[in-house]
Amino acid sequence: GAGVSQTPSNKVTEKGKYVELRCDPISGHTALYWYRQSLGQGPEFLIYFQGTGAADDSGLPNDRFFAVRPEGSVSTLKIQRTERGDSAVYLCASSLILAGGSGELFFGEGSRLTVL
Amino acid sequence: DQQVKQNSPSLSVQEGRISILNCDYTNSMFDYFLWYKKYPAEGPTFLISISSIKDKNEDGRFTVFLNKSAKHLSLHIVPSQPGDSAVYFCAASARGTSYGKLTFGQGTILTVHP
Repeated sequence: GAGVSQTPSNKVTEKGKYVELRCDPISGHTALYWYRQSLGQGPEFLIYFQGTGAADDSGLPNDRFFAVRPEGSVSTLKIQRTERGDSAVYLCASSLILAGGSGELFFGEGSRLTVL
Repeated sequence: DQQVKQNSPSLSVQEGRISILNCDYTNSMFDYFLWYKKYPAEGPTFLISISSIKDKNEDGRFTVFLNKSAKHLSLHIVPSQPGDSAVYFCAASARGTSYGKLTFGQGTILTVHP
């Protein structure tokens, strides 16, 4: 596709349930990022993939959160035993890594997660 | 602790006038700064950036100024247009950290009136 695609766009779940959020990056982009945006706040870094491996997962809040990118393209963010505080918009972004470490991040529209 | 702060939650400007959005940061390791724009129900889109070795970067109607001693940056939009109405986020990255690992401010809602 032309841009970063995220599904579902909206997800409502109950406390304690398991949730998966999917990100399809721009074709050819080797770097993929997950961010979380809570109401009234800016996006907050969660994890960064370079290819198939998680190069930096320092932003994941706890071990209920896990992300994979098995073939170096599509990524899935997995949240176990969801809590009400997990309610947020989960943003995915992708980029090319250019010489010198530059390169614009392209964001998807986000997946809005509501935990009741 | 909020390492990147945008202290004005909103700004209202008349079409044709200058919009000035401000951002302060506390982490002296930040060496690259960016502004993103976000429309409702869309993801943030990159607007303009500046490296810490510069104090100004200009792209069309958009100029970013960096004052390292004050740990302050600002985005100037001249002239402002109604289509500029959006949420503007300031973001920063630190030397030695992963590329693309950005710290964002809370955002400023800009409204440009016709």
